[in-house]
Amino acid sequence: LAKTTQPISMDSYEGQEVNITCSHNNIATNDYITWYQQFPSQGPRFIIQGYKTKVTNEVASLFIPADRKSSTLSLPRVSLSDTAVYYCLVGDGGASKIIFGSGTRLSIRP
Amino acid sequence: AAGVIQSPRHLIKEKRETATLKCYPIPRHDTVYWYQQGPGQDPQFLISFYEKMQSDKGSIPDRFSAQQFSDYHSELNMSSLELGDSALYFCASSLGESGSEQFFGPGTRLTVL
Repeated sequence: LAKTTQPISMDSYEGQEVNITCSHNNIATNDYITWYQQFPSQGPRFIIQGYKTKVTNEVASLFIPADRKSSTLSLPRVSLSDTAVYYCLVGDGGASKIIFGSGTRLSIRP
Repeated sequence: AAGVIQSPRHLIKEKRETATLKCYPIPRHDTVYWYQQGPGQDPQFLISFYEKMQSDKGSIPDRFSAQQFSDYHSELNMSSLELGDSALYFCASSLGESGSEQFFGPGTRLTVL
């Protein structure tokens, strides 16, 4: 499983766009990039998944450059409720275990 | 939409006792995963099952065992409980296909006194 590196913490303000970048230099050809969000004492929640280029859903966008060695999760117009830990994961998705890294603790201020 | 169900949500046990945690996956999901999350830590993979067979094993103590039943629900059995077993235990389910999403349950908070 490819190792990922992401910032330990980030701070932002309500209404701002937040971009969290994740490095995964050893990503394999069949690996997907998946982001999960976790609130305290709750199970991780799937945010978005992509393989290449750009993926967008109602919650976030995921930008993946051509070499796939990094990815950026973009959260538009964050609110206080977006305060959580965000995990970047690389692997074959639902077909195997998730190895959680340290995650990025995002704090949103009024 | 149906989600992953875990029971009980909270459990308090004494040292050296046993505990059984249950997980009911989303209907039609054939793969179940168990994760342990200690206080202030990231979730750690314990064990997984695909079509009722163990598919992968992580850092699960020998005192723990698990199985997946014919109706696809899974149980995590924990014996000789230690203080360090106090944690949130999450179950997740998926279709077991590459690229599919893992859906996590609300977790069981186990406290060992």
